[in-house]
Amino acid sequence: GQQVMQIPQYQHVQEGEDFTTYCNSSTTLSNIQWYKQRPGGHPVFLIQLVKSGEVKKQKRLTFQFGEAKKNSSLHITATQTTDVGTYFCAGPRGNTGKLIFGQGTTLQVKP
Amino acid sequence: DARVTQTPRHKVTEMGQEVTMRCQPILGHNTVFWYRQTMMQGLELLAYFRNRAPLDDSGMPKDRFSAEMPDATLATLKIQPSEPRDSAVYFCASGLTQGIPSNQPQHFGDGTRLSIL
Repeated sequence: GQQVMQIPQYQHVQEGEDFTTYCNSSTTLSNIQWYKQRPGGHPVFLIQLVKSGEVKKQKRLTFQFGEAKKNSSLHITATQTTDVGTYFCAGPRGNTGKLIFGQGTTLQVKP
Repeated sequence: DARVTQTPRHKVTEMGQEVTMRCQPILGHNTVFWYRQTMMQGLELLAYFRNRAPLDDSGMPKDRFSAEMPDATLATLKIQPSEPRDSAVYFCASGLTQGIPSNQPQHFGDGTRLSIL
């Protein structure tokens, strides 16, 4: 069945270092969404990408949607301790209306 | 800020007991989703409603789980009888969707942390 995979599963960085998480789908996606979940918290919507090759920025966060609309990445420049959490990508399962979430990448930032 | 409200936040009960989780979606949102999160399985969609009508509950164990939306301000997820393997965090999310619900962002509640002993 359709899968959404994320790598790496965990990443530990020193504060100030950059961080990237990658998301790959087994099928072409109409859109991809990114969510952040702080420890003990709930997923919070960050952004949605729709167009092939789309790049969007939110302050230190850069999101990309691949040309084939099967992969995406989230890059954080100069991480801060407030960036700690698990980042999920999510894509639609066909036209079912369901979102499939990746397993997430958990980011730890050492001050 | 508008938010999705879930109650209770925590629930500990013995196996065999009925568990009811409640969700108040953001006012004006027409779509409600129920998710379960565990370390092993991650975030799994259990069921979702649009305009109070159930659209999909294929992710839910039918024999013990039931989801309803009695009115536009309340969604419920019931487990009866509960089992230890049901221990998880259950999230409700809402969104304002037209067309395909997965094309719109979802707003999650704080979740119900359920432990079945």
